[in-house]
Amino acid sequence: GQSLEQPSEVTAVEGAIVQINCTYQTSGFYGLSWYQQHDGGAPTFLSYNALDGLEETGRFSSFLSRSDSYGYLLLQELQMKDSASYFCAVNQAGTALIFGKGTTLSVSS
Amino acid sequence: ETGVTQSPTHLIKTRGQQVTLRCSSQSGHNTVSWYQQALGQGPQFIFQYYREEENGRGNFPPRFSGLQFPNYSSELNVNALELDDSALYLCASRGHQETQYFGPGTRLLVL
Repeated sequence: GQSLEQPSEVTAVEGAIVQINCTYQTSGFYGLSWYQQHDGGAPTFLSYNALDGLEETGRFSSFLSRSDSYGYLLLQELQMKDSASYFCAVNQAGTALIFGKGTTLSVSS
Repeated sequence: ETGVTQSPTHLIKTRGQQVTLRCSSQSGHNTVSWYQQALGQGPQFIFQYYREEENGRGNFPPRFSGLQFPNYSSELNVNALELDDSALYLCASRGHQETQYFGPGTRLLVL
């Protein structure tokens, strides 16, 4: 079967750093993506890792270890607007995104 | 703003009815995928179309069907609606990169 595991909830304060982990077990792995979704909104692309290592995009970074079937999303200098659900998703070559159940991040002042 | 639009935004149907949801992809994006997102869950892959042909399908029954048109629009059709079909339906378009761009979704309620 195919499965992705990520924590259901994470809480943090403004200015802090948060890491959201994701482990996966899927067939046809091509890469790992991260999406952000605010309540009632559409998933928005954050980052994509096809190779092992760290990808940095502003305050957000994402890491992948293919040998460990593991990745994480790192959010720095947290802001209130970062409160949202974060999904890791496996890209299967040429076809679907297989999503995890999502992590709800709550940022407080 | 992803350039992907969906209609309608909300819809209420009763069990047994049929529904058609519509999506307009970004110009130049030949691949469109449809996802079902139940409350509190991640999106679940329904199927994908590339140049008007279905080229991938998730674990959904045949009463979920689709079409893609040359003008970058597409449809999701669901027959014989069931209560469990109540969800947010998302379409996503993709060009040559791996990034998928999602529309705002259609929220379907089946009574």
